Amino acid sequence: NAGVTQTPKFRILKIGQSMTLQCTQDMNHNYMYWYRQDPGMGLKLIYYSVGAGITDKGEVPNGYNVSRSTTEDFPLRLELAAPSQTSVYFCASSTAQGAYYEQYFGPGTRLTVT
Amino acid sequence: RKEVEQDPGPFNVPEGATVAFNCTYSNSASQSFFWYRQDCRKEPKLLMSVYSSGNEDGRFTAQLNRASQYISLLIRDSKLSDSATYLCVVPSGAGSYQLTFGKGTKLSVIP
Repeated sequence: NAGVTQTPKFRILKIGQSMTLQCTQDMNHNYMYWYRQDPGMGLKLIYYSVGAGITDKGEVPNGYNVSRSTTEDFPLRLELAAPSQTSVYFCASSTAQGAYYEQYFGPGTRLTVT
Repeated sequence: RKEVEQDPGPFNVPEGATVAFNCTYSNSASQSFFWYRQDCRKEPKLLMSVYSSGNEDGRFTAQLNRASQYISLLIRDSKLSDSATYLCVVPSGAGSYQLTFGKGTKLSVIP
């Protein structure tokens, strides 16, 4: 069982370039999330989705876009990369277990913008 | 009160020691709580869930005090492999499918 997979593992971008971070889960979870984690800081929610075709902004959405055309995939798009977007990006998914939602994370993408 | 606040750490303890981490939260409506473990340069992984007053799993005990909005994690007989950052996690937003993560407390278990 692969769980949540993310590609690429590492990427270096120049300022102004664009890229898409890929995220796929094979657990048939309805809920998916994108977080960023800066050194010494907690996870910050960028965007989330409650199902295919439905997305919503989290705490720090500026500079990012998402889409959710299938249950499995939840790509994160960076347009016009800036040094402030240097971070580790984690994708996660969850489903209801009773009234509770435990999130499962992918291995992360380490992005550097220079 | 911040949404989720944890002991800043780091905690440096010898093998075999007992160590406790504390966490306070602001959302009094929260019903479920989690402790996640994050190893260096890895993704967070669920360690324990806390739905009622507490939960125990081997050497790990999580306790919940709803009146004080306080969660704790106790690790007994610490192992070198317990060295990691421990994240306190609380539901947030309109639905409990959204989680707020604390900044984490770093634990180093020393031989």
